[in-house]
Formats: sequence, C-alpha cells, structure tokens
Amino acid sequence: QLQLQESGPGLVKPSETLSLTCTVSGGSISSSSYYWGWIRQPPGKGLEWIGSIYYSGSTYYNPSLKSRVTISVDTSKNQFSLKLSSVTAADTAVYYCARNPATMVRGVSPRFDPWGQGTLVTVSS
Amino acid sequence: QSALTQPASVSGSPGQSITISCTGTSSDVGSYNLVSWYQQHPGKAPKLMIYEGSKRPSGVSNRFSGSKSGNTASLTISGLQAEDEADYYCCSYAGSVVFGGGTKLTVL
Repeated sequence: QLQLQESGPGLVKPSETLSLTCTVSGGSISSSSYYWGWIRQPPGKGLEWIGSIYYSGSTYYNPSLKSRVTISVDTSKNQFSLKLSSVTAADTAVYYCARNPATMVRGVSPRFDPWGQGTLVTVSS
Repeated sequence: QSALTQPASVSGSPGQSITISCTGTSSDVGSYNLVSWYQQHPGKAPKLMIYEGSKRPSGVSNRFSGSKSGNTASLTISGLQAEDEADYYCCSYAGSVVFGGGTKLTVL
C-alpha cells in the first residue's frame, strides 16, 4: 500500500525559504506512470496546487507561485522535495504531498491519490 | 487561472440526495473531461472520490457519482449518511491544476 509522509520545519521566518520533503513508501517514485505533487491549504481555506514533478525531473508549477517554487526529486531516497522562497504569512498552510497519474501528453492530471497526512507550516518571526 | 466556483454550503437529510455544482469556463471544465472531486473531513487529508468526471476509485461507494454539462461539473451523493458530512472540492485541468473553493455538506 503506497504511503506518503511529509517532513520539515513547522516554523519558518518571513523572507526565508520553506523546505519540505515527501517520503514515498510501498512503491517506487521512479514509476513511469506517475507524477508527484504538492498541494497546500491555508487554515480554514481551500486547496491550492503548488506543482508536480516526474521522476526524470520534469516539472509543472502553478503560474501564481512559479517564481518562488522549486520541486526536486531524489530517486535514490524515494523522496521529492519542495522549496518555497521569500515566504510571508500568506504562505502559512498545511502542505500535502500526493501522487499524480501521468495520463496527459502535456500538463498534469487533476487527480491526486493517495495523499500524505499533511504538515502545518507557520510563517512567523 | 481562476478558481472554480462551488456553493459555500449544501445540506440534506439522511437518505436524501444532494448535488454539488462546480462551475468553470470553456477553458477548463468545458474543455476537458478531467474533473476530480475530493472529500475532506476536519483535520484529515482530502480523499479522491471521483476522477475524470465520473469514474470512481476502488473502494468509493457507488452512492457518489459525477457528471458534467457544459462548463459545470456536478457531484451527486445519494442515500445521504451522517459520515458524508464533510467539505468537498472539485478540481480541473486548466492549463495547470485549479481547485474549487470548496462546499461544506451538512447532514441534518
């Protein structure tokens, strides 16, 4: 059974870089059938897709966050990571990682399954 | 891209059916049969309930069904149960991925 687990600091200072890692267990991140994505949810608000990555390193990002986001993959560790730079209080959210099927010729499917449990990151000095 | 439009809340009594709408544009919902629906209970991660408009993942009750008409996708839950009370989000491809604002379902 595939499982995803987010990890990283729960508190980040304004203007610094948020860094999170998602560890995949029960399956290989190098599968040609999937992308691996990050989604976030500010407290009390809705979901926002951040971006997705293929095992080869190919990425798709949300245009509204693209200038601040970097997603990378480490196939040797079965992990993928998120870096979000120049954070502000508006980046305070629960961050989820999830699997994304690679079913489209271009772009990323809006299908995410399964999801990690999520990790709360607070931006505050 | 803009978020998809969902009603803020819907409600129904046990045993009834409800429908949650998800309105987009001809550039997202209307152009692709790729809408997904997610159920989220408080403090929990979202769970995929419908994908590619009307397909159910293994293990999801057949009380949940999805459809589309024009630029609007819909999630219908029949035979409402107390455990269905949750937030529901639609999600579509729109050049990238866009979510709806979410709908709170209350089972009366």
